[in-house]
Amino acid sequence: DADVTQTPRNRITKTGKRIMLECSQTKGHDRMYWYRQDPGLGLRLIYYSFDVKDINKGEISDGYSVSRQAQAKFSLSLESAIPNQTALYFCATSAMGISTDTQYFGPGTRLTVL
Amino acid sequence: SQQGEEDPQALSIQEGENATMNCSYKTSINNLQWYRQNSGRGLVHLILIRSNEREKHSGRLRVTLDTSKKSSSLLITASRAADTASYFCATDRGSTLGRLYFGRGTQLTVWP
Repeated sequence: DADVTQTPRNRITKTGKRIMLECSQTKGHDRMYWYRQDPGLGLRLIYYSFDVKDINKGEISDGYSVSRQAQAKFSLSLESAIPNQTALYFCATSAMGISTDTQYFGPGTRLTVL
Repeated sequence: SQQGEEDPQALSIQEGENATMNCSYKTSINNLQWYRQNSGRGLVHLILIRSNEREKHSGRLRVTLDTSKKSSSLLITASRAADTASYFCATDRGSTLGRLYFGRGTQLTVWP
C-alpha cells in the first residue's frame, strides 16, 4: 500500500464551488505539505504543517485553506474555485529532524476548474 | 519564487548515453536534493547531498555540488528508456525548518 495517498485523484468542478482535497499518510511523519504544479513552473508550496497544531502559509496560499485533522491527515480546501486553480496538486510528508529531510510525495490530484 | 534553476529545460538522448543535468541556486544551503517525476505522477526522491559534500553516488546516479559556484549536477550513466522523466533539484535555502524550494525541472527523454 502507498505510504502517502490522495483523494480524489481527478476532479472536475465549476467556478465558485468549494472543493476539498485529502491527504493521508502511514509514514508516521510529523511534517506535511501541499504543493501545486503548473506546466513549466515546477512545484510551489501552498501550505505546510509541522504538527497537528501548526499551520503555515507557503508561497501561494491565497484562495486556499488547510486543516490538519490528525498527524496522518492534511486537507486542502478551495473555498471558491476559480479556473486559474486548475493544476496538479501534491501532498508530501517528511520526518521531523535537525535538517531538511527527504520529502515523500503522494500520487497527485488533477483538478480542473471550468 | 523558484530557488533552483535546472539546465537544460529539455534533454533528448539515446539509450546507453550519459545524461547530465545542472542546477543553479542563489542562497546558502544545508543540503540539495534531486527528485524524479514520471509524467503526471508524484515526485520520487533520488539523492541528497549535504553542503559539506562534493560528490555522491547512488547506482547509476552521480551528483556533484559546488557551493562556491552555487551549482549542482546530476549525471545518469548508461541511460535507459525507463529513465525518461522530469528531474528536479530542491534546496532548503539554508533553513532547517523543513521547507524545500524546487526548480522548474529538466525533462529527459531517452530514446530506445
